[in-house]
Amino acid sequence: RKEVEQDPGPFNVPEGATVAFNCTYSNSASQSFFWYRQDCRKEPKLLMSVYSSGNEDGRFTAQLNRASQYISLLIRDSKLSDSATYLCVVGPTLGGKLIFGQGTELSVKP
Amino acid sequence: DTGVSQDPRHKITKRGQNVTFRCDPISEHNRLYWYRQTLGQGPEFLTYFQNEAQLEKSRLLSDRFSAERPKGSFSTLEIQRTEQGDSAMYLCASSPRGLAGAEQFFGPGTRLTVL
Repeated sequence: RKEVEQDPGPFNVPEGATVAFNCTYSNSASQSFFWYRQDCRKEPKLLMSVYSSGNEDGRFTAQLNRASQYISLLIRDSKLSDSATYLCVVGPTLGGKLIFGQGTELSVKP
Repeated sequence: DTGVSQDPRHKITKRGQNVTFRCDPISEHNRLYWYRQTLGQGPEFLTYFQNEAQLEKSRLLSDRFSAERPKGSFSTLEIQRTEQGDSAMYLCASSPRGLAGAEQFFGPGTRLTVL
């Protein structure tokens, strides 16, 4: 079993749609959680950190359920510019390595 | 540009040759990480440094791979006797000290092709 698992997609959605990505992780002692965004042939960039209380940044909402070891990302009113691969990322320890999921590809169409 | 930089951006080599990549982290970031990414997969951890100390190495890092960060600033990753399976994007990341260091900032990567 992979340490971080996510649906690879691709997700093809029209502009304005709401899309949800899910992710599970195997190490219950993990300390930090993130969603990174990666555009084609570019480096990953932090989209948002994920907290147990849930957090929102504009059209993006992230949730963490430690009991279920489950992380989610919700994108509302999707834009063409949201097309990218979204990587679910877990940090077993603060400041140490990051464990990446396979990534979920999103394509937003006009 | 004050981000993480990597050199070269692209490297094509023949099987059996040695290659060396360089990473310059964001100034004053004391942690530096190396990852490898192949097509359709997320980045995989290779190794990381806190200052000049190498604190963790992945099982992926065979004895053909060596990384150094001699003065706690830039780092090099060397692959000896390259194999076709080494073809990948090699990503470097850095993070600051303390709790804020959970986030890692990535460089543009070095794309290695082994013929």
